[in-house]
Amino acid sequence: DAGVTQSPTHLIKTRGQQVTLRCSPKSGHDTVSWYQQALGQGPQFIFQYYEEEERQRGNFPDRFSGHQFPNYSSELNVNALLLGDSALYLCASSLIGKYEQYFGPGTRLTVT
Amino acid sequence: ILNVEQSPQSLHVQEGDSTNFTCSFPSSNFYALHWYRWETAKSPEALFVMTLNGDEKKKGRISATLNTKEGYSYLYIKGSQPEDSATYLCASPNFGNEKLTFGTGTRLTIIP
Repeated sequence: DAGVTQSPTHLIKTRGQQVTLRCSPKSGHDTVSWYQQALGQGPQFIFQYYEEEERQRGNFPDRFSGHQFPNYSSELNVNALLLGDSALYLCASSLIGKYEQYFGPGTRLTVT
Repeated sequence: ILNVEQSPQSLHVQEGDSTNFTCSFPSSNFYALHWYRWETAKSPEALFVMTLNGDEKKKGRISATLNTKEGYSYLYIKGSQPEDSATYLCASPNFGNEKLTFGTGTRLTIIP
């Protein structure tokens, strides 16, 4: 049983560009959450998707958007990239109503 | 706003020694407390999810306790081994299983 997978592993983009990150949840999970981890900080919650809708959102600008597909996989899109968007982006999957969240290895985004 | 804090920020421990570190969180509106172990270049690995005051959980040489009335949890590692070197994160959800708020982690290095 594959755990949570994310692609790509690493990504380098230029300021002003747009990026799409992808996440496949653990088998049987229906909820996907996205987190940003900047250097020296703990992961910060971006948003969570369930039944293809955004359930809850953290303190991130509208440049950050997402999508969940019928197979529960999810995308994170960031528009108009800033240098400060450079971070590790983590995806976590869970089953609605359960406490446990399982994380993927992350996508390292570098904005130059 | 949920505030989760961890101490110390980093720790060097001689192989074979035991160690412990702390996670503190608001005691009001408590739902759960998660502990994760995060090795470099890997996915954060779920260690424990704790929900009840006085809860104690154990996984091999690692154990954790929870005090929801005073708002803290301790993670203990007995007889540290080099493979215990990792960053240990704690997190608490603000409601149910949504939006984990993480501490900044304790970076543990085991000295052979």
